[in-house]
Amino acid sequence: SQTIHQWPATLVQPVGSPLSLECTVEGTSNPNLYWYRQAAGRGLQLLFYSVGIGQISSEVPQNLSASRPQDRQFILSSKKLLLSDSGFYLCAWRPSGPAYEQYFGPGTRLTVT
Amino acid sequence: AQSVTQLGSHVSVSEGALVLLRCNYSSSVPPYLFWYVQYPNQGLQLLLKYTTGATLVKGINGFEAEFKKSETSFHLTKPSAHMSDAAEYFCAVILFGNEKLTFGTGTRLTIIP
Repeated sequence: SQTIHQWPATLVQPVGSPLSLECTVEGTSNPNLYWYRQAAGRGLQLLFYSVGIGQISSEVPQNLSASRPQDRQFILSSKKLLLSDSGFYLCAWRPSGPAYEQYFGPGTRLTVT
Repeated sequence: AQSVTQLGSHVSVSEGALVLLRCNYSSSVPPYLFWYVQYPNQGLQLLLKYTTGATLVKGINGFEAEFKKSETSFHLTKPSAHMSDAAEYFCAVILFGNEKLTFGTGTRLTIIP
């Protein structure tokens, strides 16, 4: 069966510091991968998605970036965090092909102070 | 483009009572529809999905939803609420060939003992 991991689970970072969140998927190959942000009291906002290694599509212009160095690894980064970057970050995957349901990881709670 | 509206950000029902969470979508073509559940500080779990075929779909934990094209609705129901159903529920829509899963703003379900 497939499993998705995210780490760290929680993170407290000062404004202006860098960020690296990691997501890995096990038990599948060539998944489509997604990064979402969930702000308090709001829905989910798609940040980035990737349909293959090195292929990144950005949905929202911001100071975040994403990379996919390996088939089942998806990384969310920032060079300098802003207070507005606080939130719950969720990674998701789906099989490539016509199945459109996405499966979510446990999330990372980021607090920028 | 597609959008989702969830009516009622908070819903309270008594234990054993019917659960009804409302979702309406807007789409230029027939969409694929999903319901997800999120427990505090956790990722989203897929409850059920509608793609094509039977308009009444059954999911996990006794939930079901009916796709009504004429009403552009995909309401989630459960005949008898259980305390463990207390969570936040998200309706989501995606169009065939698209990578962007669009979420509603969520409905927080409270179960009254």
